[in-house]
Amino acid sequence: GIQVEQSPPDLILQEGANSTLRCNFSDSVNNLQWFHQNPWGQLINLFYIPSGTKQNGRLSATTVATERYSLLYISSSQTTDSGVYFCAVKGTGGGADGLTFGKGTHLIIQP
Amino acid sequence: NAGVTQTPKFRILKIGQSMTLQCAQDMNHNYMYWYRQDPGMGLKLIYYSVGAGITDKGEVPNGYNVSRSTTEDFPLRLELAAPSQTSVYFCASRTGLSELYNSPLHFGNGTRLTVT
Repeated sequence: GIQVEQSPPDLILQEGANSTLRCNFSDSVNNLQWFHQNPWGQLINLFYIPSGTKQNGRLSATTVATERYSLLYISSSQTTDSGVYFCAVKGTGGGADGLTFGKGTHLIIQP
Repeated sequence: NAGVTQTPKFRILKIGQSMTLQCAQDMNHNYMYWYRQDPGMGLKLIYYSVGAGITDKGEVPNGYNVSRSTTEDFPLRLELAAPSQTSVYFCASRTGLSELYNSPLHFGNGTRLTVT
């Protein structure tokens, strides 16, 4: 099946810093989502972005489908941005429906 | 609009016991999914359903069963609980209308299950 790799695995930043999280995938996709898992374990939809660029406040994401990667940008980080960020994809090949998740980037924003 | 609702939030089972994790969605979504998340890992697909009466296996189906008798509900059954099933379980749904085939998943808040 499709493979998803996220980097870096861990990131510690000071409040106000900017960051870029990367997601590489091994095959063509027709669905890509970024999620934030907060410290209470809830999965929050950030972006549905199988291709192109989207922005939502301090967060933006870009997916370059032809080169099989996606980037999540967080600007002016706040402590509430802490948590785990997951990239999840659905390949265009056959097989089970549903998203394949990467292992996540664990982000800690220090005050 | 409640979205995807999972019950219970927490449960402790003894080895060999059975239980059903409940999942309901009020968005009239055709597609529903069960995932499990082990500590420090991403989510893995257990089972999914593309509509009432239709279910199929995901990546890690062993030890679980599902049914989909209505569009709204998608319960997950553990028949003989084992310590390896200690995990956090997430239910998700998405619309499967043809013009929105590639639609985003919406997740419930999870059920934390411990088997001892």
